[in-house]
Amino acid sequence: DIQMTQSPSSLSASVGDTVTITCRSSQSISIYLNWYQQKPGKAPKLLIHSASSLQSGVPSRFRGSGSGTDFTLTISSLQPEDFATYYCQHSDSTPWTFGQGTKVDIK
Amino acid sequence: QVEIIQSGAEVRKPGASVRVSCKVSGHTLSQLSMHWVRQAPGKGLEWMGGFDPEDVERSFTQRFQGRVTVTEDTSTDTIYLDLTSLRLDDTAVYYCAAAVLYRSLDYWGQGTAVTVSA
Repeated sequence: DIQMTQSPSSLSASVGDTVTITCRSSQSISIYLNWYQQKPGKAPKLLIHSASSLQSGVPSRFRGSGSGTDFTLTISSLQPEDFATYYCQHSDSTPWTFGQGTKVDIK
Repeated sequence: QVEIIQSGAEVRKPGASVRVSCKVSGHTLSQLSMHWVRQAPGKGLEWMGGFDPEDVERSFTQRFQGRVTVTEDTSTDTIYLDLTSLRLDDTAVYYCAAAVLYRSLDYWGQGTAVTVSA
């Protein structure tokens, strides 16, 4: 099975900051990498699919990049509603494993 | 736009079984690739299984093989997950999610809390 490793596991930031979350896969997954946002008590929400494609309706301050084994989610000009937990997930082959999550909270 | 409505919370004893249902609207089940994800209290997301368009088959991770059955009712666009031989560590919120065009979980149900307690 392909393992996904996210870093950091948590970070503190202020409104207006730019934050970067990284995700590394244990083997190459091409661009089969997705990013989700989850707020407490809510279902996850797809932000980015295929490593860098913004899901419809998602603000352009969210940007995904990378291919192969190394991927990045960048959130520019952090907004109050962006404080949440973020997960990467690969879909190269089953099982579609998730990273362990990165919690972004208010500094 | 796809909407997924899941069944309500369940409480079971160890060894029992549970059924979680997901009713889809906006698309038919045949147009979607349905997946199951769970989240134990305070923990991260765990992909349980789903329909892989590459393999053209549904698969579940090894820890669920032999304990899980998925059935579909195409007349009502409802999909069911049956999980048997429940253990205490099966306590979690269970989500169904749909992949439409790409290999990503585009739409999610609201989640069904399953509590396994003696």
